[in-house]
Amino acid sequence: GESVGLHLPTLSVQEGDNSIINCAYSNSASDYFIWYKQESGKGPQFIIDIRSNMDKRQGQRVTVLLNKTVKHLSLQIAATQPGDSAVYFCADQDFGNEKLTFGTGTRLTIIP
Amino acid sequence: DAGVTQSPTHLIKTRGQQVTLRCSPISGHKSVSWYQQVLGQGPQFIFQYYEKEERGRGNFPDRFSARQFPNYSSELNVNALLLGDSALYLCASSLVAGNNEQFFGPGTRLTVL
Repeated sequence: GESVGLHLPTLSVQEGDNSIINCAYSNSASDYFIWYKQESGKGPQFIIDIRSNMDKRQGQRVTVLLNKTVKHLSLQIAATQPGDSAVYFCADQDFGNEKLTFGTGTRLTIIP
Repeated sequence: DAGVTQSPTHLIKTRGQQVTLRCSPISGHKSVSWYQQVLGQGPQFIFQYYEKEERGRGNFPDRFSARQFPNYSSELNVNALLLGDSALYLCASSLVAGNNEQFFGPGTRLTVL
């Protein structure tokens, strides 16, 4: 079936360095992509989103890149901080459909 | 402003029992979705309600049911609990249905013994 998956389950990055979290999706009908951050004991927190008619979107210290040709999504976090340590999920949505399909998640650990 | 709230925060039940989880969306949000998150996995879609009507259902058995009230709050009911129902149950709200940022609550941690 269709699924959203992640390449790496864990990632450790030195504080201050940049990090890149990757995600592959298989649903060609996906129209909307979102990155969520989930800290221990909390619900997922929206980080940044991108629609299928874009290939890049920037926020504060975060950038999402979308490559529709290879169905690949990435989240770049610049100048990582200890508070960035969390599990990061990518999720996708079909047009007009509320359902989010989540990947397994990548645990990002920032090393002081 | 209050975010999405869920109650209770933790719950322990035994197999065969029934449970009701509650969710209050952000003020003004009319769409509520429920997700199940098993430890170590991403959330799985259970239901979506918009304007008190079911708009989507995930691949969950009929033991799972939900409803939305006139004030847009929602309840998720699970009957005949199984050990495998142990999970974090998340509620998310959005302003309208479809392609809109969904805001998640902190979840209800359900443990079935």
